[in-house]
Amino acid sequence: GESVGLHLPTLSVQEGDNSIINCAYSNSASDYFIWYKQESGKGPQFIIDIRSNMDKRQGQRVTVLLNKTVKHLSLQIAATQPGDSAVYFCAALNYGGSQGNLIFGKGTKLSVKP
Amino acid sequence: DSGVTQTPKHLITATGQRVTLRCSPRSGDLSVYWYQQSLDQGLQFLIQYYNGEERAKGNILERFSAQQFPDLHSELNLSSLELGDSALYFCASSGLASHEQYFGPGTRLTVT
Repeated sequence: GESVGLHLPTLSVQEGDNSIINCAYSNSASDYFIWYKQESGKGPQFIIDIRSNMDKRQGQRVTVLLNKTVKHLSLQIAATQPGDSAVYFCAALNYGGSQGNLIFGKGTKLSVKP
Repeated sequence: DSGVTQTPKHLITATGQRVTLRCSPRSGDLSVYWYQQSLDQGLQFLIQYYNGEERAKGNILERFSAQQFPDLHSELNLSSLELGDSALYFCASSGLASHEQYFGPGTRLTVT
């Protein structure tokens, strides 16, 4: 079956530095890839998504890069702030196969040092 | 605030019991999804409803069932509870774009 995985379970960065969180996926038929942020005691919060026919998408302080050749995507956070500390999940969605449910990776815990 | 509400926030019950978790989607969203989050399995899709009808099923146990009512709120029923059912249960909702799912704050279920 389809799987989505993250390369590193934890990441520690200095405040003000850029963060890069990586994710690999197995199903090349995935239509969308989505990044979620989950703070302690809260539900996952939508950050940004990218359609499979795109290579890059930018949001506010975040950029998602998609490399379909190696089935890899990354989330880049610019000028990381203490409020960015959370667990980050990548998820994949295949409209054709799954009718819209998300397949989540295990998550990377981002810690921001002041 | 995502606009998705879930009750109760916490639930503690004993093995063998039955509980009902409730979810109200964002205004205008027709799709509701249920996910289970445990430490060892991560976020797992359970079931999706669209406008009152079951749309997709994931790794949902036969002891679990769900429904979506005419006012679009949804309930997840968990019966014959086991210790391993202890987890966070999230509801999410979306409009037509299933890749834009908004999650509620979750219900933490503890089975003792």
